[in-house]
Amino acid sequence: AQSVSQHNHHVILSEAASLELGCNYSYGGTVNLFWYVQYPGQHLQLLLKYFSGDPLVKGIKGFEAEFIKSKFSFNLRKPSVQWSDTAEYFCAVNENTDKLIFGTGTRLQVFP
Amino acid sequence: EAGVVQSPRYKIIEKKQPVAFWCNPISGHNTLYWYRQNLGQGPELLIRYENEEAVDDSQLPKDRFSAERLKGVDSTLKIQPAELGDSAVYLCASSRRGLNSPLHFGNGTRLTVT
Repeated sequence: AQSVSQHNHHVILSEAASLELGCNYSYGGTVNLFWYVQYPGQHLQLLLKYFSGDPLVKGIKGFEAEFIKSKFSFNLRKPSVQWSDTAEYFCAVNENTDKLIFGTGTRLQVFP
Repeated sequence: EAGVVQSPRYKIIEKKQPVAFWCNPISGHNTLYWYRQNLGQGPELLIRYENEEAVDDSQLPKDRFSAERLKGVDSTLKIQPAELGDSAVYLCASSRRGLNSPLHFGNGTRLTVT
């Protein structure tokens, strides 16, 4: 069965630090990849997505993610985090179906 | 556009009682999903509808859970009877048809079973 692993459960950073959140998936075929974010008290919302083409995708708020097929990875990055980036981040994958499999999430805390 | 609307936001019930959650998807979204999110976990799919048809309910515990989307718009998820382990956040999401359509989530219903 397909699975999604997020190894960083809780990340604490100071403002302006660089961020990289890991995401690995188990499926070897064609996949669509997503990062969702949940700010405190808000609903899950799409941060960015990859379907095909350029493996480096840019999302909202300065986030980007790189799809590395050989590593089955889709890590999320941001060069300089802000306090407002404090949230929970979920990686998700679907394997050409509408069934989206989520990782367990990474809680990011950014301190001023 | 208006987002996915769920109610109630919170529900506290005693075990063995029934409970129902309601979801109104974004207008024009054919696909509707119910997810369950346990504490410290990512959302897990319970059931997916294409219009009024449940096309994937393989993860729905059918002995106590049921769902309906009679007119292909609003949906209701019911648990009867509830168990302590059902305490979780129940999320509804909707999307346009197609693999590349992102999901739009509601705020969820936080259920506590005592």
